[in-house]
Amino acid sequence: DTGVSQNPRHKITKRGQNVTFRCDPISEHNRLYWYRQTLGQGPEFLTYFQNEAQLEKSRLLSDRFSAERPKGSFSTLEIQRTEQGDSAMYLCASSLVLGVNEQFFGPGTRLTVL
Amino acid sequence: GENVGLHLPTLSVQEGDNSIINCAYSNSASDYFIWYKQESGKGPQFIIDIRSNMDKRQGQRVTVLLNKTVKHLSLQIAATQPGDSAVYFCAENKAGAGGTSYGKLTFGQGTILTVHP
Repeated sequence: DTGVSQNPRHKITKRGQNVTFRCDPISEHNRLYWYRQTLGQGPEFLTYFQNEAQLEKSRLLSDRFSAERPKGSFSTLEIQRTEQGDSAMYLCASSLVLGVNEQFFGPGTRLTVL
Repeated sequence: GENVGLHLPTLSVQEGDNSIINCAYSNSASDYFIWYKQESGKGPQFIIDIRSNMDKRQGQRVTVLLNKTVKHLSLQIAATQPGDSAVYFCAENKAGAGGTSYGKLTFGQGTILTVHP
C-alpha cells in the first residue's frame, strides 16, 4: 500500500453516462497526477496538479474529461458521455515538487463502458 | 500496427536465476529514469531510479544500468524469486528548473517477467 487511495476500484457504466473517480494522495505530496492504462500498455499521462493548479493536460484529455483538485488535497476525474473507448484503468499518483520525481501510484479505478 | 502493444516482450526464468530486462527510451533530453513493477490488478510500484549523470545504480537485488549513447536502460534482478513475477516498465522524466521535478512520466512498453519455481 503506497498511501495513495482511489475510489471506486471498479466502475461499470453504460455508454453515454457520466462517471467520476476520486483520488486521495499521500498527505504531504503537493503534486497529483492522472494516468490512463489500457491492456498491454504502459500508463499514459493525462494531467497533473501542483496544489490546486492544473499545470499540464495531455492531448489525450478530450473535452469530455475534466479533473479538479479544489483544495489541493484530493482530486476528482470526471468523464462525461462515456464511450466504449474510455474503458481503461485510471491511475492516480502523487509526488513532492522538489527533488526526484518518485511518483507513488494508487491501485487504480477500472472503468468498463458497455 | 495498433496490436503491437498487446504483444509485450516476455522473459521466463527459473527461480534463482538472474534476470535482465531491457528498455529503449525516446527522449534524449530525459535526465531521470525509473523502473516500476506492476502486478495484476495493482498500480505500478517503484523499484529503482537513476539520474542521467550516473551509468549504474544498485539497490537490494536490483541494478539499473543506463547507456545514454544508445538511449538504453536495463534492470537486472539477482536471484529472481516467484514474487518478482510481474510486468516491468521503464519510465523517463526531465528535470525542471531550480531543483524541481518535471511533471509527467513517459512509460515504455513493458516486459512480462515470469519466474518458475
